[in-house]
Amino acid sequence: GAGVSQSPRYKVAKRGQDVALRCDPISGHVSLFWYQQALGQGPEFLTYFQNEAQLDKSGLPSDRFFAERPEGSVSTLKIQRTQQEDSAVYLCASSLEWGGGNQPQHFGDGTRLSIL
Amino acid sequence: TQLLEQSPQFLSIQEGENLTVYCNSSSVFSSLQWYRQEPGEGPVLLVTVVTGGEVKKLKRLTFQFGDARKDSSLHITAAQPGDTGLYLCAGAKSSGDKLTFGTGTRLAVRP
Repeated sequence: GAGVSQSPRYKVAKRGQDVALRCDPISGHVSLFWYQQALGQGPEFLTYFQNEAQLDKSGLPSDRFFAERPEGSVSTLKIQRTQQEDSAVYLCASSLEWGGGNQPQHFGDGTRLSIL
Repeated sequence: TQLLEQSPQFLSIQEGENLTVYCNSSSVFSSLQWYRQEPGEGPVLLVTVVTGGEVKKLKRLTFQFGDARKDSSLHITAAQPGDTGLYLCAGAKSSGDKLTFGTGTRLAVRP
């Protein structure tokens, strides 16, 4: 499809396990964003890439969270030693150009992560 | 910390009624976007406003950016069940800044 694709759609893990969430942005989109969304709340910014460069990771909650986009297209968000408070929907978005908030962001449908 | 507060948090109305959702902040934003999100899906952009006092219309939806660029409103005329969803405002403090999302307003329109 032509939209942002995220996988898996649902992930259940035991506390302490590592997880990896994948995002395929729209082809040709320069910017890629990761957000964390708690139930009924607005998304909260985690990190941002321009091509392969991670320009802002100020929203990552702890050093257990790590994101990469090695070839400037697909991105992976990794969470190590998961904890129950990591349970949330993780959203990925891409935009055609760099321009931060002035550019429309196209969102995937998210990965719902549940930590038992 | 959410810099953008939305009100009301929840709204349940009958089909055909009008409603207004507010997005307020003590900070100035260079631009503000409104998104709608349905269950199990990602947010979908409705509009971007960039000029203080700007008003944009999208069919039955009217968006306004405050003169001081600290607040915005979304007005829906004659709401339809298809308008049901989570409405999110999101602001950027500069053209190159990341988006900060509001707390969200969950709207339910009853047939």
